[in-house]
Amino acid sequence: ETGVTQSPTHLIKTRGQQVTLRCSSQSGHNTVSWYQQALGQGPQFIFQYYREEENGRGNFPPRFSGLQFPNYSSELNVNALELDDSALYLCASSPRGTAPGIDTFGSGTRLTVV
Amino acid sequence: GDSVTQMEGPVTLSEEAFLTINCTYTATGYPSLFWYVQYPGEGLQLLLKATKADDKGSNKGFEATYRKETTSFHLEKGSVQVSDSAVYFCALPTNQAGTALIFGKGTTLSVSS
Repeated sequence: ETGVTQSPTHLIKTRGQQVTLRCSSQSGHNTVSWYQQALGQGPQFIFQYYREEENGRGNFPPRFSGLQFPNYSSELNVNALELDDSALYLCASSPRGTAPGIDTFGSGTRLTVV
Repeated sequence: GDSVTQMEGPVTLSEEAFLTINCTYTATGYPSLFWYVQYPGEGLQLLLKATKADDKGSNKGFEATYRKETTSFHLEKGSVQVSDSAVYFCALPTNQAGTALIFGKGTTLSVSS
């Protein structure tokens, strides 16, 4: 069974640009969550997707948006990048309806905004 | 709102020393509580969990007891190893979405031989 894979592993963007991060969920997992982990901080919940629809959202502005595809893979899009968006972005997948703590996390994408 | 507070790090120990990482929480009701570990360059891994008051979660020699009286879930290990060097996060569920979690800021543990 494959785990959660994220791409790219690292990237550098300029302030004001847009970025797309990708996540392939673990086999059999139909729910995907995204987190932002700033340096020295714990992960913060951005949003969750189930059946291609947003299923809950944290305290992030609308320029953070996402997609989920029929194969349950997912994208995180960030528009109008700001310096404070520099962080490790983590994707986590889980089967629908399971209790917290079941999520499988990917290794993350390190985004640097300059 | 719900939150988690962890002790500040880094924590630096010699091999075979006793480890305690403090975690306290603020929440409505009695949520499940979790400890996650993040090794360098890797994603988060669930270390242990407790689903109700007085439960003790344990894994790989680590233990944590759910104390509702003190709203705490401190992580302990009797004898740490160099391989335990990592960042440890205390967490509880958020009501924003099914399996989403609120994490503490993390405590970095460094163990030397």
